[in-house]
Amino acid sequence: EVQLVQSGGGLVKPGESLRLSCATSGFTFRNYAMNWVRQAPGKGLEWVSFISSGSQYIYYADSVKGRFTISRDNAENSLYLQMNSLRPEDTAVYYCTREGGRGWFDYWGQGTPVTVSS
Amino acid sequence: DIQMTQSPSSLSASVGDRVTITCRTNQSISSDLNWLQHQPGKAPRLLVYSASVLHSGVPSRFTGSGSGTEFTLTISSLQPEDFATYYCQQSYRTPGTFGPGTKVDFK
Repeated sequence: EVQLVQSGGGLVKPGESLRLSCATSGFTFRNYAMNWVRQAPGKGLEWVSFISSGSQYIYYADSVKGRFTISRDNAENSLYLQMNSLRPEDTAVYYCTREGGRGWFDYWGQGTPVTVSS
Repeated sequence: DIQMTQSPSSLSASVGDRVTITCRTNQSISSDLNWLQHQPGKAPRLLVYSASVLHSGVPSRFTGSGSGTEFTLTISSLQPEDFATYYCQQSYRTPGTFGPGTKVDFK
């Protein structure tokens, strides 16, 4: 069974940092690209970042470029999102998601809330 | 960038109703269009990929169709567990961006 289990969210002040983790099991992690997607309160789904299976390709949404860093450890079957210089507009539930086949997001973590507030 | 629109933005329906949601893109994306369901407090769930292929475990009352710039998701007979927000997502180009969503609630 494919599982993505997230950890690391919480309440932080503007300018602070947070690291999200996504531990996976039930599939060969090193063969799949992964993404982070978020949903701000009352808003729709917003793609945040992409990392290819071997980490050779990495992309970010303009809203987080230069502040967030996506990474993965294929030996540990885990995905990470380092979030620096957090802003109130980064407040959202963050999801890790596996990219299957031709780019669809077929399995999702349970979501982890991040609140940025003074 | 590929721009995506969905219509309607929301709809009210009853159990047993047939529901159709449309997703349009500003350029052709072939069949690289996927549909997801999102209920409050839960993770999003993939329903349909490549415009018309049902993901594993998804009930057959869900049907996806279309190609190019216009796509539809149809629920043939709405069930209580189907009240949710539905998103289309293009996977023609990375990143795989989402439509604005269609909220389906009780009439």
